[in-house]
Amino acid sequence: AAGVIQSPRHLIKEKRETATLKCYPIPRHDTVYWYQQGPGQDPQFLISFYEKMQSDKGSIPDRFSAQQFSDYHSELNMSSLELGDSALYFCASRQFNEKLFFGSGTQLSVL
Amino acid sequence: GNSVTQMEGPVTLSEEAFLTINCTYTATGYPSLFWYVQYPGEGLQLLLKATKADDKGSNKGFEATYRKETTSFHLEKGSVQVSDSAVYFCALSQYSGAGSYQLTFGKGTKLSVIP
Repeated sequence: AAGVIQSPRHLIKEKRETATLKCYPIPRHDTVYWYQQGPGQDPQFLISFYEKMQSDKGSIPDRFSAQQFSDYHSELNMSSLELGDSALYFCASRQFNEKLFFGSGTQLSVL
Repeated sequence: GNSVTQMEGPVTLSEEAFLTINCTYTATGYPSLFWYVQYPGEGLQLLLKATKADDKGSNKGFEATYRKETTSFHLEKGSVQVSDSAVYFCALSQYSGAGSYQLTFGKGTKLSVIP
């Protein structure tokens, strides 16, 4: 069965650069969530989308933005990267109120 | 590739009952193992973890032991409460090179505890 696909798997950037992370949900899933997990920390909810509209917002910095496209994939855009942005970013998708399915994450390293 | 298999549930228990949620994994090498919990209407939280064979992770009365011989990391709690009602996810993390780790999640088990 298809799973949640994230790309790229690894990303290395320098300070002040920009990065774009992509999430492809399971077909027919209408909701996407983005999480950030720093080393040794709990996952932090960033933002979610339902039917291409932002549905909830968590601790997402103003330097970050995200959107969900007509094909339901989502992109997380990160600008003016800081060292503290180094983390694992993973997304999850669900259909309406069903279970969450997780991607394997994008490891971002900011040097 | 890596995979995590956990009982899908839903699991319904009475308050003070004993809980076991089974989790087995497939991975090469020595992954770290985790249990995450998502309470209704909230985000994901790390519940406990174990980083090497025979380690026992524990938190809030929950326990899980890293069993390499059976590739398992079953979650247990001796006496559940209504407030434990949530979805529980088993996961593994494995080093994938270049200083990066990949997380693989199970499908989640919904637990409902009734008074």
